[in-house]
Amino acid sequence: TQLLEQSPQFLSIQEGENLTVYCNSSSVFSSLQWYRQEPGEGPVLLVTVVTGGEVKKLKRLTFQFGDARKDSSLHITAAQPGDTGLYLCAGLTNFGNEKLTFGTGTRLTIIP
Amino acid sequence: NAGVMQNPRHLVRRRGQEARLRCSPMKGHSHVYWYRQLPEEGLKFMVYLQKENIIDESGMPKERFSAEFPKEGPSILRIQQVVRGDSAAYFCANKQGQNTEAFFGQGTRLTVV
Repeated sequence: TQLLEQSPQFLSIQEGENLTVYCNSSSVFSSLQWYRQEPGEGPVLLVTVVTGGEVKKLKRLTFQFGDARKDSSLHITAAQPGDTGLYLCAGLTNFGNEKLTFGTGTRLTIIP
Repeated sequence: NAGVMQNPRHLVRRRGQEARLRCSPMKGHSHVYWYRQLPEEGLKFMVYLQKENIIDESGMPKERFSAEFPKEGPSILRIQQVVRGDSAAYFCANKQGQNTEAFFGQGTRLTVV
């Protein structure tokens, strides 16, 4: 069973601060996706990282895939209230089937 | 999430009734996943289907739960004889094929009273 642990579980910071969310596993994934989920809605895909060591930027969000493809991080600079939400990482394996396994989630609150 | 349609958005059932949740994937997307989410928790994998075939059902409870994705029509997640513990949000995701990205519907919130 592949487990994806996210840390921290909850994070509440002031607007304008920086933060990093971590996603760790003992399993290797062929790719890893990050989603954001608003209350009452489904997860919305933010980014997919595929190559070990890959870094992708999406405006103030920076995503990194670990060299061994077992972990990932999401860094947000100058956080804004609109960044508030549940952030989920999800790992994809394609060893026989393509099951997408989700992390435990990080609930982020940005205080104006 | 445009194009991934789940209905109903909210479903209330009494204990012992049946719940049917529908997912109409985006056109051309033949891979469907079902997930369950409890409040303040992540998404728990239930089942992965490709047209007419169940690929992985390792997350499905052994009893009362079933899923199908027929050749024509939406994918259906069926819960028989619902109990209070079945209350949750159920999400469907779909993909076009292998090594492609998954897109989620808005979910069905099931409440068992």
